[in-house]
Amino acid sequence: DSGVTQTPKHLITATGQRVTLRCSPRSGDLSVYWYQQSLDQGLQFLIQYYNGEERAKGNILERFSAQQFPDLHSELNLSSLELGDSALYFCASSAFHRGREDGYTFGSGTRLTVV
Amino acid sequence: EDKVVQSPLSLVVHEGDTVTLNCSYEVTNFRSLLWYKQEKKAPTFLFMLTSSGIEKKSGRLSSILDKKELFSILNITATQTGDSAVYLCAAENNDMRFGAGTRLTVKP
Repeated sequence: DSGVTQTPKHLITATGQRVTLRCSPRSGDLSVYWYQQSLDQGLQFLIQYYNGEERAKGNILERFSAQQFPDLHSELNLSSLELGDSALYFCASSAFHRGREDGYTFGSGTRLTVV
Repeated sequence: EDKVVQSPLSLVVHEGDTVTLNCSYEVTNFRSLLWYKQEKKAPTFLFMLTSSGIEKKSGRLSSILDKKELFSILNITATQTGDSAVYLCAAENNDMRFGAGTRLTVKP
């Protein structure tokens, strides 16, 4: 167990629907990162939150949004889903305010299948 | 545009061989270079490199960063079948940009 918790582990939904993926960071970590990994593709950075505020944005579609709550958990909302959104979605956390020799810790991911 | 390029994309070796994986980067406001191992699920952290020329070691794995030439290498000696995985490098600035990975297959 990495300490980063993602739910659900698997999600199957139809095109046009909306889903919410949830991430609880490792205890003490203030930053949360969301990544998308499609088949045969590398990890694509979507968005980063630090202590509740958006810090950096990657190639995140306008149909996608995220937020980080006061208890530091984060949610990634995906709407108007398309078949191409099927992917593994990872959340990672890190602590900028303390030593980061352990890098970023990834959750086990949510596998989204759009049918 | 920021980019991270890994080579080779795939590699097949036999147990006991030594392998070298390459990672080059062009990233503005570079802070650190990270290596991860990804098997079936989430990437697991291997190394974080911030200074040039200082080798980091963990068992049979080692890595070094060259900030002048903008690359890093990951060495694995005496490979074992359990080393089979995708090895990812990532360059950190305001976020963490990953390369496509090197798929290593170690045959018995």
